[in-house]
Amino acid sequence: AQSVTQLDSQVPVFEEAPVELRCNYSSSVSVYLFWYVQYPNQGLQLLLKYLSGSTLVKGINGFEAEFNKSQTSFHLRKPSVHISDTAEYFCAVGTSNTGKLIFGQGTTLQVKP
Amino acid sequence: DGGITQSPKYLFRKEGQNVTLSCEQNLNHDAMYWYRQDPGQGLRLIYYSQIVNDFQKGDIAEGYSVSREKKESFPLTVTSAQKNPTAFYLCASSKDSLLNQYFGAGTRLSVL
Repeated sequence: AQSVTQLDSQVPVFEEAPVELRCNYSSSVSVYLFWYVQYPNQGLQLLLKYLSGSTLVKGINGFEAEFNKSQTSFHLRKPSVHISDTAEYFCAVGTSNTGKLIFGQGTTLQVKP
Repeated sequence: DGGITQSPKYLFRKEGQNVTLSCEQNLNHDAMYWYRQDPGQGLRLIYYSQIVNDFQKGDIAEGYSVSREKKESFPLTVTSAQKNPTAFYLCASSKDSLLNQYFGAGTRLSVL
């Protein structure tokens, strides 16, 4: 079985500062990894995904994530955040044999002016 | 525009009542999913369907039912057996199970 742990429930950061949102997973088989963003009272929007190939993945809105197989991590980073990045962020893992995604509990990013 | 439409945006249920949440997609996606979102618990899978006329239970299927009679539609019924239905419900679809899921805007269900 797969599982996902987002290590921080809330991350406060000042505008223009860098940020890292941490995600660890466990799985006995190869995985596909995703980061989604959710703005208040809306659905989820895909930020980026890792399926195979380069371990550094670039997404929308200036976000990037690095797949680290040895540490079973997929941390999300942005070098300079904006107020508009305030949202909830979800890490998710999927495998080819289950047909479904397992989501972490979410991290609330609070960008302060 | 292509996308996923969930309706209604807000829904209220009386005790003992069944209610149905609508999810329609025009993305020509084969797979569709229903999630429940509660504060601090992330998304939990209720039911999913990888093809028309077939669906599987997710992690929290008790008290819910679904149908998949058409590729575009995957309605979720919250039955009276679901004793704590208050939550935000999200529908999603994907071209196949290996790729990212596209989400609707959600339905917020409350109990009167």
